[in-house]
Parts: sequence; C-alpha cells; structure tokens
Amino acid sequence: RKEVEQDPGPFNVPEGATVAFNCTYSNSASQSFFWYRQDCRKEPKLLMSVYSSGNEDGRFTAQLNRASQYISLLIRDSKLSDSATYLCVVFTGNQFYFGTGTSLTVIP
Amino acid sequence: NAGVTQTPKFRVLKTGQSMTLLCAQDMNHEYMYWYRQDPGMGLRLIHYSVGEGTTAKGEVPDGYNVSRLKKQNFLLGLESAAPSQTSVYFCASSYSGVYIYEQYFGPGTRLTVT
Repeated sequence: RKEVEQDPGPFNVPEGATVAFNCTYSNSASQSFFWYRQDCRKEPKLLMSVYSSGNEDGRFTAQLNRASQYISLLIRDSKLSDSATYLCVVFTGNQFYFGTGTSLTVIP
Repeated sequence: NAGVTQTPKFRVLKTGQSMTLLCAQDMNHEYMYWYRQDPGMGLRLIHYSVGEGTTAKGEVPDGYNVSRLKKQNFLLGLESAAPSQTSVYFCASSYSGVYIYEQYFGPGTRLTVT
C-alpha cells in the first residue's frame, strides 16, 4: 500500500470556481503534513503546512483528520494562476512521502 | 541566499557511463535528500542524509551512491548508468528539530540515459 494516495485528476474548473483535493496516508504515526505546488517542469514549492485544527491562507484552506488519516485542500475563487499540480506530502520518521499529485487547470 | 542549487541542469549519458550530480545549500540545513520524479510515479526518495558524514537509503537506492562530506553539499553518483535511470532528479534540504519544517528544492537535473 502506498504511503500517500491522491486522486490524480485532472481537474478542469472555470475561473472563480471552488475545488477540493483529497489525500489519504497509511501510517498513523506520521508527524507532519504539507501541500506543495509544482508547476510544469519546475521544482515543488511549499503551498502550506497542514495543522490538526485546520488552517487557512487567503483562498486556500487545509484540513487534517488524523482519525481517518485524511488531508484536504480547498481552493476558493480559482485563478488562472492556480493551474498546477498539487502534491500531498507526509513526514514520517526521517522521510517525506509524496503523493503522485493532482493536476488542476483553471479555464478562462 | 541562493537556496538549493543543482549542477548540472541537463545531461545525456550513454549506458554504462558514470556521473555525479552535485547539490549545494546555503541555509545551514541538517537534512538533505535526493529524489527522482517519473511520470505517474510522483517523487521517490533515493537517499537522504541527516547530517554531515551520514547517509541512509530511501525507497529506490539501487544503482546510486551518495556522499555528504560537507554539511552544505550532497552528491549523488551513478556508477553505471542504465536507461531506467532516465528521470528528473531533485535535491532538497530542510531544518531538523522537534518541529518538522518544509523542504526546499533545487531546480532539478534532467538526465537522459541512451
């Protein structure tokens, strides 16, 4: 079983739409959780950390459910510039584990 | 600060050739990592280091070796390149401590083995 699983998409949404991505992880001992963004042929960059109480950064909201081992990312009022691949990342032991990514295209 | 840098950016090798990829960071991070990214596979950890002089195997270490002789540098070696090692290689670094901080990535090395 993979450490981190994500729906690969693709998600194609119109500008202004709200879109949600989900991710599950297999190890209940996982310690830290993140969402990264990766643009085509570029390196991943941190979008936001995910805290147990949930957290928000502008149009982005991340939620963590430790009991269900589930992480989510909500993007409100989508912009064209949000088009990218979103990676769910879990830190367990000394290692970061990456999901395969969810592709988002925001359409004018 | 340059952050994390990788050299070279692109490379084409013939099967059986060897090469070394260099990763350097100027953020005084303890932890450094080498990943490969292939279509549909996500990032997979090759080797990592939790400090100068220490290395450990990740998920896909076969065919690769690493060294961390200086805290700021992490080298990835391919002893005898194979077509299956065609990939994009990313280096990353992070702080260590009670709280786990984000990883910072280099721009990647695109390697083709023919």
